[in-house]
Amino acid sequence: DAGVIQSPRHEVTEMGQEVTLRCKPISGHDYLFWYRQTMMRGLELLIYFNNNVPIDDSGMPEDRFSAKMPNASFSTLKIQPSEPRDSAVYFCASSADGTGGGRQYFGPGTRLTVT
Amino acid sequence: EDQVTQSPEALRLQEGESSSLNCSYTVSGLRGLFWYRQDPGKGPEFLFTLYSAGEEKEKERLKATLTKKESFLHITAPKPEDSATYLCAVLGIQGAQKLVFGQGTRLTINP
Repeated sequence: DAGVIQSPRHEVTEMGQEVTLRCKPISGHDYLFWYRQTMMRGLELLIYFNNNVPIDDSGMPEDRFSAKMPNASFSTLKIQPSEPRDSAVYFCASSADGTGGGRQYFGPGTRLTVT
Repeated sequence: EDQVTQSPEALRLQEGESSSLNCSYTVSGLRGLFWYRQDPGKGPEFLFTLYSAGEEKEKERLKATLTKKESFLHITAPKPEDSATYLCAVLGIQGAQKLVFGQGTRLTINP
């Protein structure tokens, strides 16, 4: 199994540009999570999906952020327009077990730098 | 609101020097407490799940324990390869599938 796949691994962009992060969860997993990690705030949940449906997006910082999951094999997190304070590492994770939802499998992350 | 506090923020040990990491939590109703390991430049990797007070789990040099207010990750005779950041997280009954993570403890084992 290839594990959770994220792309790109690194992204450098200028303020105001649109950024799209991509994630392929582990096959058969029915939960998908997007996290953001910074030194100041640690690991924060942004949004999660169950069976491709967004369940809780209360962690999405503002309307500039949006996430989609068009099918069970693909999800995107988009930031438009990007700002320097969005610089962070963004992780995607997937899980196979709803009741044991804490056992999540994380991807390698995308390091986003907004200048 | 569910909260997790980990201490210390950083810990430096000599190889073979045993110690413990602390995770204090407040949660409306605990469904599970989780320990993860994170190496630099990588995503967190699952270690343990604990469900109720008194429960213990072991893996190699690591043992996790749980009380009603806190969890400990005991590291016995650590090796340099145990160096990593260790994250604690809780899943509460009101949080659906939302894990709440602590800030982590950065552990360094010197040879």
